[in-house]
Amino acid sequence: AQSVTQLGSHVSVSEGALVLLRCNYSSSVPPYLFWYVQYPNQGLQLLLKYTTGATLVKGINGFEAEFKKSETSFHLTKPSAHMSDAAEYFCAVTPNTGGFKTIFGAGTRLFVKA
Amino acid sequence: GAGVSQSPSNKVTEKGKDVELRCDPISGHTALYWYRQSLGQGLEFLIYFQGNSAPDKSGLPSDRFSAERTGGSVSTLTIQRTQQEDSAVYLCASSPRLASYEQYFGPGTRLTVT
Repeated sequence: AQSVTQLGSHVSVSEGALVLLRCNYSSSVPPYLFWYVQYPNQGLQLLLKYTTGATLVKGINGFEAEFKKSETSFHLTKPSAHMSDAAEYFCAVTPNTGGFKTIFGAGTRLFVKA
Repeated sequence: GAGVSQSPSNKVTEKGKDVELRCDPISGHTALYWYRQSLGQGLEFLIYFQGNSAPDKSGLPSDRFSAERTGGSVSTLTIQRTQQEDSAVYLCASSPRLASYEQYFGPGTRLTVT
């Protein structure tokens, strides 16, 4: 069965610092990969996704993620954190072998310090 | 255009009562998902519907949970004989089609079982 592991339930960075949120998946076949963000008192929205093609994908608000098959990882980065980035971030996977059940990680709450 | 809507936004019920949660997907979206988000937890997949195909019910935690989707649009999640552990936020998401993979989430229904 597929699983998603997000390292660190809480991450704190200073404004202007690099943001790195880690996501690893377990799957015998590389799945489709997603990052979603949930701002306080708001619904989840898609940040970015990887399905095929270029392994470095860019999303909204300056975020990007790189699919590394050899490491079964899909880490999310942003070069310079902004206060408005404070939110909860979820990594998710959907199999590409038939079936569309999506598995979410437990989430990482990002805090941004002034 | 209108996003995914869910009703009610909040529901408080007594243990043992039945509840119905409603989801209106984005018009034209053929795929619909239900998730449960417990406090401090990630999203737990419950069920998805795709067009007229049989739904994937593999995530429903017990036979007290059921869902239906009428006319390929509105969906209702029913929880019978509610228990305190059912307290959570129930999220609905829709997708233009399963193969597009990205999901658009509603604001959720917060269910509290007393």
